[in-house]
Amino acid sequence: QSVLTQPPSASGTPGQRVTISCSGSSSNIGSNTVNWYQQLPGTAPKLLIYSNSQRPSGVPDRFSGSKSGTSASLAISGLQSEDEADYYCAAWDDSLNGLWVFGGGTKLTVL
Amino acid sequence: QLQLQESGPGLVKPSETLSLTCTVSDGSISSSNYYWGWIRQPPGKGLEWIGSFYYSGSAYYNPSLKSRVTMSVDTSKNQFSLKLTSVTAADTAVYYCARLLSDSSVELYYFDYWGQGTLVTVSS
Repeated sequence: QSVLTQPPSASGTPGQRVTISCSGSSSNIGSNTVNWYQQLPGTAPKLLIYSNSQRPSGVPDRFSGSKSGTSASLAISGLQSEDEADYYCAAWDDSLNGLWVFGGGTKLTVL
Repeated sequence: QLQLQESGPGLVKPSETLSLTCTVSDGSISSSNYYWGWIRQPPGKGLEWIGSFYYSGSAYYNPSLKSRVTMSVDTSKNQFSLKLTSVTAADTAVYYCARLLSDSSVELYYFDYWGQGTLVTVSS
Protein backbone atom coordinates (compact mmCIF):
# COMPACT_ATOMS: atom_id res chain seq x y z
CA GLN A 1 0.00 0.00 0.00
CA SER A 2 1.69 3.20 -1.20
CA VAL A 3 1.48 6.42 0.79
CA LEU A 4 0.60 8.37 -2.36
CA THR A 5 -2.41 7.06 -4.30
CA GLN A 6 -2.40 6.83 -8.10
CA PRO A 7 -4.79 5.03 -10.45
CA PRO A 8 -3.16 1.77 -11.55
CA SER A 9 -3.87 2.41 -15.21
CA ALA A 10 -4.73 5.09 -17.74
CA SER A 11 -5.13 5.07 -21.49
CA GLY A 12 -5.65 7.29 -24.49
CA THR A 13 -5.37 7.41 -28.25
CA PRO A 14 -2.64 9.29 -30.13
CA GLY A 15 -3.20 13.03 -29.98
CA GLN A 16 -5.45 12.89 -26.94
CA ARG A 17 -4.86 14.53 -23.58
CA VAL A 18 -4.66 12.32 -20.52
CA THR A 19 -4.25 13.16 -16.85
CA ILE A 20 -2.89 11.08 -13.99
CA SER A 21 -3.77 11.95 -10.42
CA CYS A 22 -1.75 11.57 -7.24
CA SER A 23 -3.44 11.88 -3.87
CA GLY A 24 -1.61 12.34 -0.60
CA SER A 25 -2.00 14.03 2.76
CA SER A 26 -1.01 17.11 4.71
CA SER A 27 2.33 15.57 5.70
CA ASN A 28 3.51 15.02 2.14
CA ILE A 29 1.85 16.71 -0.86
CA GLY A 30 0.09 19.19 1.39
CA SER A 31 3.37 20.62 2.66
CA ASN A 32 6.04 19.68 0.11
CA THR A 33 6.60 19.79 -3.62
CA VAL A 34 5.74 16.92 -5.96
CA ASN A 35 7.96 15.29 -8.55
CA TRP A 36 6.95 12.98 -11.38
CA TYR A 37 9.00 10.20 -12.96
CA GLN A 38 8.55 8.32 -16.21
CA GLN A 39 9.71 4.71 -16.39
CA LEU A 40 9.86 3.19 -19.86
CA PRO A 41 9.78 -0.62 -19.98
CA GLY A 42 13.00 -2.17 -18.69
CA THR A 43 14.64 1.15 -17.83
CA ALA A 44 15.33 3.29 -14.79
CA PRO A 45 12.92 6.06 -13.81
CA LYS A 46 13.56 9.44 -15.43
CA LEU A 47 12.72 12.80 -13.89
CA LEU A 48 9.76 14.27 -15.80
CA ILE A 49 8.42 17.09 -13.59
CA TYR A 50 9.95 18.66 -10.46
CA SER A 51 8.65 21.22 -7.97
CA ASN A 52 5.04 20.48 -8.94
CA SER A 53 5.17 21.95 -12.42
CA GLN A 54 8.73 22.48 -13.66
CA ARG A 55 10.15 20.55 -16.60
CA PRO A 56 13.82 19.56 -16.73
CA SER A 57 15.69 20.48 -19.87
CA GLY A 58 14.79 18.13 -22.70
CA VAL A 59 11.30 17.20 -21.48
CA PRO A 60 8.69 18.19 -24.08
CA ASP A 61 6.15 20.84 -23.09
CA ARG A 62 3.43 18.26 -23.79
CA PHE A 63 4.06 17.20 -20.20
CA SER A 64 2.76 19.46 -17.44
CA GLY A 65 2.19 19.16 -13.71
CA SER A 66 0.03 20.87 -11.14
CA LYS A 67 -0.72 20.69 -7.44
CA SER A 68 -3.69 21.72 -5.34
CA GLY A 69 -3.95 21.05 -1.63
CA THR A 70 -3.05 17.41 -0.98
CA SER A 71 -3.34 16.27 -4.60
CA ALA A 72 -1.25 16.60 -7.73
CA SER A 73 -1.77 15.83 -11.39
CA LEU A 74 0.32 15.04 -14.42
CA ALA A 75 -1.12 15.94 -17.80
CA ILE A 76 0.12 14.68 -21.15
CA SER A 77 -1.24 16.40 -24.24
CA GLY A 78 -0.79 15.31 -27.83
CA LEU A 79 -0.31 11.72 -26.67
CA GLN A 80 2.31 9.76 -28.60
CA SER A 81 3.06 6.04 -28.73
CA GLU A 82 6.42 6.60 -27.05
CA ASP A 83 4.63 7.97 -23.99
CA GLU A 84 3.53 4.43 -23.10
CA ALA A 85 5.24 3.91 -19.74
CA ASP A 86 4.75 3.78 -15.99
CA TYR A 87 4.44 7.14 -14.22
CA TYR A 88 5.21 7.73 -10.55
CA CYS A 89 4.61 10.71 -8.30
CA ALA A 90 6.91 11.37 -5.33
CA ALA A 91 7.10 13.75 -2.41
CA TRP A 92 8.90 14.20 0.89
CA ASP A 93 6.80 13.16 3.86
CA ASP A 94 7.32 15.01 7.14
CA SER A 95 5.95 12.21 9.34
CA LEU A 96 8.19 10.18 11.67
CA ASN A 97 11.71 11.47 10.97
CA GLY A 98 10.88 12.17 7.35
CA LEU A 99 11.02 9.97 4.30
CA TRP A 100 10.55 10.06 0.56
CA VAL A 101 7.28 8.46 -0.54
CA PHE A 102 6.17 7.36 -3.98
CA GLY A 103 2.84 6.62 -5.58
CA GLY A 104 2.11 3.07 -6.64
CA GLY A 105 2.56 4.00 -10.27
CA THR A 106 0.19 4.40 -13.22
CA LYS A 107 0.64 2.33 -16.35
CA LEU A 108 -0.22 4.47 -19.36
CA THR A 109 -1.33 2.62 -22.48
CA VAL A 110 -1.51 4.36 -25.85
CA LEU A 111 -4.30 2.63 -27.76
CA GLN B 1 26.91 13.90 -18.12
CA LEU B 2 26.79 12.33 -14.66
CA GLN B 3 26.58 8.54 -14.63
CA LEU B 4 25.83 6.12 -11.83
CA GLN B 5 26.48 2.38 -11.99
CA GLU B 6 25.40 -0.22 -9.45
CA SER B 7 27.43 -3.36 -8.84
CA GLY B 8 27.20 -6.36 -6.55
CA PRO B 9 25.95 -9.93 -6.27
CA GLY B 10 22.74 -10.75 -8.07
CA LEU B 11 21.88 -13.57 -5.69
CA VAL B 12 21.85 -13.46 -1.89
CA LYS B 13 20.79 -16.20 0.50
CA PRO B 14 18.04 -15.59 3.06
CA SER B 15 19.28 -14.19 6.40
CA GLU B 16 22.52 -12.97 4.80
CA THR B 17 23.61 -9.41 4.00
CA LEU B 18 22.96 -7.70 0.68
CA SER B 19 25.87 -5.46 -0.37
CA LEU B 20 25.84 -3.09 -3.32
CA THR B 21 28.16 -0.35 -4.54
CA CYS B 22 27.37 2.65 -6.73
CA THR B 23 30.16 4.21 -8.76
CA VAL B 24 29.71 7.83 -9.79
CA SER B 25 31.33 9.06 -13.02
CA ASP B 26 31.68 12.53 -14.57
CA GLY B 27 30.74 14.23 -11.31
CA SER B 28 31.90 14.49 -7.72
CA ILE B 29 30.19 12.73 -4.87
CA SER B 30 31.35 15.65 -2.68
CA SER B 31 29.31 18.27 -4.55
CA SER B 32 27.34 20.75 -2.46
CA ASN B 33 23.56 20.42 -2.25
CA TYR B 34 23.56 16.85 -3.50
CA TYR B 35 22.65 13.80 -1.49
CA TRP B 36 23.06 10.24 -2.72
CA GLY B 37 20.80 7.31 -2.08
CA TRP B 38 19.14 4.04 -2.88
CA ILE B 39 15.68 3.21 -4.16
CA ARG B 40 14.36 -0.27 -4.89
CA GLN B 41 11.59 -1.77 -7.00
CA PRO B 42 10.29 -5.32 -6.42
CA PRO B 43 9.45 -7.14 -9.67
CA GLY B 44 6.23 -5.76 -11.12
CA LYS B 45 5.76 -3.31 -8.26
CA GLY B 46 6.37 0.32 -7.40
CA LEU B 47 9.32 2.30 -6.08
CA GLU B 48 10.45 2.31 -2.44
CA TRP B 49 12.99 4.77 -1.04
CA ILE B 50 15.63 3.06 1.11
CA GLY B 51 17.67 6.00 2.30
CA SER B 52 19.89 8.95 1.40
CA PHE B 53 23.04 10.54 2.78
CA TYR B 54 25.33 13.55 2.37
CA TYR B 55 29.02 12.96 1.70
CA SER B 56 30.02 14.67 4.95
CA GLY B 57 28.02 12.26 7.06
CA SER B 58 24.36 13.09 7.60
CA ALA B 59 22.03 10.29 6.58
CA TYR B 60 18.39 9.39 6.82
CA TYR B 61 16.69 6.10 6.19
CA ASN B 62 13.23 4.73 5.52
CA PRO B 63 11.89 3.93 9.01
CA SER B 64 10.63 0.55 7.77
CA LEU B 65 14.18 -0.50 6.86
CA LYS B 66 16.30 1.58 9.21
CA SER B 67 17.22 -1.24 11.58
CA ARG B 68 18.73 -3.25 8.73
CA VAL B 69 20.33 -0.56 6.55
CA THR B 70 23.79 0.95 6.52
CA MET B 71 25.07 3.39 3.91
CA SER B 72 28.67 4.46 3.53
CA VAL B 73 30.76 6.55 1.16
CA ASP B 74 34.29 6.40 -0.22
CA THR B 75 35.01 9.85 -1.61
CA SER B 76 38.46 8.80 -2.84
CA LYS B 77 36.84 6.28 -5.19
CA ASN B 78 33.71 8.38 -5.83
CA GLN B 79 31.63 5.44 -4.67
CA PHE B 80 28.96 4.81 -2.10
CA SER B 81 27.56 1.57 -0.74
CA LEU B 82 24.47 -0.08 0.69
CA LYS B 83 24.30 -2.93 3.16
CA LEU B 84 20.98 -4.55 4.04
CA THR B 85 21.13 -7.24 6.69
CA SER B 86 18.94 -10.27 7.41
CA VAL B 87 17.39 -10.33 3.96
CA THR B 88 14.27 -12.29 3.04
CA ALA B 89 12.47 -12.98 -0.22
CA ALA B 90 10.64 -9.67 0.30
CA ASP B 91 13.92 -7.88 -0.35
CA THR B 92 14.10 -9.25 -3.91
CA ALA B 93 14.07 -6.17 -6.13
CA VAL B 94 15.86 -4.02 -8.66
CA TYR B 95 18.05 -1.69 -6.64
CA TYR B 96 18.77 1.77 -8.04
CA CYS B 97 21.31 4.28 -6.83
CA ALA B 98 20.40 7.90 -7.45
CA ARG B 99 21.48 11.49 -6.89
CA LEU B 100 19.18 13.72 -4.89
CA LEU B 101 19.27 17.49 -5.31
CA SER B 102 18.46 19.06 -1.94
CA ASP B 103 18.73 22.85 -2.00
CA SER B 104 16.68 24.58 0.69
CA SER B 105 17.67 28.05 -0.56
CA VAL B 106 15.54 27.57 -3.67
CA GLU B 107 13.27 24.82 -2.36
CA LEU B 108 14.41 22.23 -4.87
CA TYR B 109 14.30 18.57 -3.91
CA TYR B 110 14.31 15.77 -6.45
CA PHE B 111 16.15 12.68 -7.67
CA ASP B 112 17.69 13.79 -10.94
CA TYR B 113 20.12 11.05 -11.97
CA TRP B 114 19.57 7.31 -11.60
CA GLY B 115 21.70 4.25 -12.24
CA GLN B 116 20.41 1.58 -14.60
CA GLY B 117 19.51 -0.65 -11.66
CA THR B 118 20.65 -4.10 -10.60
CA LEU B 119 18.38 -7.05 -9.81
CA VAL B 120 19.07 -8.73 -6.50
CA THR B 121 17.28 -12.01 -5.85
CA VAL B 122 17.06 -13.45 -2.35
CA SER B 123 16.89 -17.22 -2.58
CA SER B 124 18.60 -20.28 -1.18
